[in-house]
Amino acid sequence: AQSVTQLGSHVSVSEGALVLLRCNYSSSVPPYLFWYVQYPNQGLQLLLKYTSAATLVKGINGFEAEFKKSETSFHLTKPSAHMSDAAEYFCAAREDPYSGAGSYQLTFGKGTKLSVIP
Amino acid sequence: GAGVSQSPSNKVTEKGKDVELRCDPISGHTALYWYRQRLGQGLEFLIYFQGNSAPDKSGLPSDRFSAERTGESVSTLTIQRTQQEDSAVYLCASSLEVGVSGYGYTFGSGTRLTVV
Repeated sequence: AQSVTQLGSHVSVSEGALVLLRCNYSSSVPPYLFWYVQYPNQGLQLLLKYTSAATLVKGINGFEAEFKKSETSFHLTKPSAHMSDAAEYFCAAREDPYSGAGSYQLTFGKGTKLSVIP
Repeated sequence: GAGVSQSPSNKVTEKGKDVELRCDPISGHTALYWYRQRLGQGLEFLIYFQGNSAPDKSGLPSDRFSAERTGESVSTLTIQRTQQEDSAVYLCASSLEVGVSGYGYTFGSGTRLTVV
């Protein structure tokens, strides 16, 4: 079964500093990978997704993520943190729908809460 | 509609009562998912609907939980004889499920259920 691990339940960065949120997946077949952001009392908003095309994926709000098959990782980065980036971030994975595995379930990591210090 | 709509946004119920949560997906989205998010935890898959196929109910935690969807429209999640451990935010998502661009799910704002 697919699993997603997010290292660090809480990350604090200073405003203007690099943001790095880590995500590793467990799958013998590279899955489709997603990063979502959740602001307080709101639903999840898709930041970006990897669907077996370019390994460096650019998303909204200046975020990007790089798929590294050798490391089974899909870490989320942003060069310069802004106060408005404070939120909870979720990494998620699903089986490649063209792999024949048949599972459409999106498996989430436990989330990383990002705090931005002024 | 423009987004996934869930109602009610908040629900407080007494232990032992039944509750019904509603999800209105994006028009044309064939796939619909229910997830549960307990305080301080990640998202837990509950059930998946895809078109007219049999739903994937593998995530439902007990037989007190059930869900229905009529065609590719509204879905309702029913929890019978609610328990305090059912307190959570219940999130609904829909997706197009065709083409590479279709695999990003759109989530609703959720229903916050509190069982007292």
